[in-house]
Amino acid sequence: ETGVTQSPTHLIKTRGQQVTLRCSSQSGHNTVSWYQQALGQGPQFIFQYYREEENGRGNFPPRFSGLQFPNYSSELNVNALELDDSALYLCASSARLDPGGYTFGSGTRLTVV
Amino acid sequence: SQQGEEDPQALSIQEGENATMNCSYKTSINNLQWYRQNSGRGLVHLILIRSNEREKHSGRLRVTLDTSKKSSSLLITASRAADTASYFCATVRTGGGNKLTFGTGTQLKVEL
Repeated sequence: ETGVTQSPTHLIKTRGQQVTLRCSSQSGHNTVSWYQQALGQGPQFIFQYYREEENGRGNFPPRFSGLQFPNYSSELNVNALELDDSALYLCASSARLDPGGYTFGSGTRLTVV
Repeated sequence: SQQGEEDPQALSIQEGENATMNCSYKTSINNLQWYRQNSGRGLVHLILIRSNEREKHSGRLRVTLDTSKKSSSLLITASRAADTASYFCATVRTGGGNKLTFGTGTQLKVEL
């Protein structure tokens, strides 16, 4: 059984650019959630995908978007990057009907300069 | 927005001592979970306690939940240097799907 893998591990982008982060969910998990964690803070929920559709969204602007693929892997896209987007982006997979059992990836550290 | 606060923000203890962290939250919940995070990397799920449970144990971990006070505590007994990490509580709100709402975290340092 594989865990959640995220790529890349680190990324540096320039303000105004676009970025795509990737996540492969744990085997048997059909729901993927994305979180943003600023330095010194707890993770903040961005959105969740279930069966390739967005299923809940946090307080993030539309320039944060995502996709889920038939194999339950997922992408997080951020357009028009701002300096405040610098953070650790975490992906978590879970089984839809199980409110527990979240498995997190190691995250992607995004730095916007 | 954060669900609530964790207390203390930072805790430094000697190896072998017990560490207690507290978490308060604001809304009705289905369950509360504790996670550990080493050096700003991924979160590791430690333990889940459901809203109808008052106490749960897992190895050296003991979690309590008081829904009337909207608070929880995590006790790590006989701490080890390897327990040094940030600890976060996270709640799944009633009717909130299964998204996690995290607290602000406690930084635990266990010294030899």
